[in-house]
Amino acid sequence: DAGITQSPRHKVTETGTPVTLRCHQTENHRYMYWYRQDPGHGLRLIHYSYGVKDTDKGEVSDGYSVSRSKTEDFLLTLESATSSQTSVYFCAIRAGDRGYEQYFGPGTRLTVT
Amino acid sequence: AQSVTQLDSQVPVFEEAPVELRCNYSSSVSVYLFWYVQYPNQGLQLLLKYLSGSTLVESINGFEAEFNKSQTSFHLRKPSVHISDTAEYVCAVSNAGGTSYGKLTFGQGTILTVHP
Repeated sequence: DAGITQSPRHKVTETGTPVTLRCHQTENHRYMYWYRQDPGHGLRLIHYSYGVKDTDKGEVSDGYSVSRSKTEDFLLTLESATSSQTSVYFCAIRAGDRGYEQYFGPGTRLTVT
Repeated sequence: AQSVTQLDSQVPVFEEAPVELRCNYSSSVSVYLFWYVQYPNQGLQLLLKYLSGSTLVESINGFEAEFNKSQTSFHLRKPSVHISDTAEYVCAVSNAGGTSYGKLTFGQGTILTVHP
C-alpha cells in the first residue's frame, strides 16, 4: 500500500460541466501521474508532475489540466467534460529516485452523460 | 518512442495448468520492465519488475518473468495457476535512466481466466 487515495471514487456528471479529481499521497513522493484506462487502449498518461508546481503533458492531455500546489495533492481538472472523457482515472506515484516502478491508487470511475 | 505489445487479449486456462502471457516491447534505449496485475474494480498492483542483474525475476505468488534482450520480450509464466489468479495482467516499460521522469508505457493487457 503506497498510501494513495483518490476522490471521488465514482462520479456522474453532465456534458459541459467542470470536474476535478483529487489524488492524495501520504509518503512525500516527488513524482505523480494521472492516467485514464479505456477498453482497447490500456492505460494512457494524461499529465504528470515531478515536483510542486512542476507538471507536464502526457500523450492524451487535451481537455485536461492539472495542478500541484502541495507535495501530497495532485488535482486533475476537466474544464468542460465531454462524453469522450468517460473513463476510469488512475493516479500513481513513483517510488523513489532509483525505483522506476509506479504504485497506483484505487481509481475514479467518471461517467459524463 | 517506446511501445509494448501484449499478443493475447484473453487467455483461458484450467486450474493447475501452466500459463505464459506474452509481452514484447520496442525501444531504442535500455529499459526497465514491469508486470502489473489488476483485479476487477481495483487499481494496478505491481507483480514483478526487471531493473538490472538476473534476467529471471520472480514474484512471491509463483509468477516469474524472463527478460530477453535479443527478442525484446518479457513474458510472464506460472507453472500451475489457481482460480485466484484470474485477473488482468499488464506489461509496462520505462526508459532506464535519462530524463523520462519515470514515465511508463503500458500494453493493452491480457485477461487471464482460470477455469476449475
